[in-house]
Amino acid sequence: EAGVVQSPRYKIIEKKQPVAFWCNPISGHNTLYWYLQNLGQGPELLIRYENEEAVDDSQLPKDRFSAERLKGVDSTLKIQPAELGDSAVYLCASSLGQRGEETQYFGPGTRLLVL
Amino acid sequence: SQQGEEDPQALSIQEGENATMNCSYKTSINNLQWYRQNSGRGLVHLILIRSNEREKHSGRLRVTLDTSKKSSSLLITASRAADTASYFCATQESTSGSRLTFGEGTQLTVNP
Repeated sequence: EAGVVQSPRYKIIEKKQPVAFWCNPISGHNTLYWYLQNLGQGPELLIRYENEEAVDDSQLPKDRFSAERLKGVDSTLKIQPAELGDSAVYLCASSLGQRGEETQYFGPGTRLLVL
Repeated sequence: SQQGEEDPQALSIQEGENATMNCSYKTSINNLQWYRQNSGRGLVHLILIRSNEREKHSGRLRVTLDTSKKSSSLLITASRAADTASYFCATQESTSGSRLTFGEGTQLTVNP
């Protein structure tokens, strides 16, 4: 079974430029998550989708971050404009969507460096 | 924001020894999960323990949960060099639906 796929794996951009990350979850997983992981820390949730609906985006900085999950499958996360402090690893995860016990399956992440 | 605090931040042991990592959290939880992260395989789920469970085993892993103290421990027995990784606890809170809140992790190094 294929795991969560993310692209690109690495991205280097200059500040103020836009950047987008793509995620393809495990087939059949209704719930999709985007996390931010800073060096030496655990992941922090940015947004959670159940099918097409963003049900938890309270920690997404909406002034510069946006996300979409069209058709309830693939998702993109965008930053515009990027700032130096956005340098981090962006992780996508998916789960079946069974309430109460959510084992999440993570992709390899996109490592972003903003210069 | 990070809910869990993990202890120690870093642990270095010899192959064959046991490794114990601890996690404390602040709120009521549905379950607590442990994940492993290394550069080769990303973040991988290891084990889930429900709030009404006290101990759980999976292979060389043993997890305990004390909800009265809001703490959990992960024991890895007979460690191997391949166990070298960062280990994170993550809590699924009672009031936040499916949201997982991760701790800051313990960096385990197993020396051959």
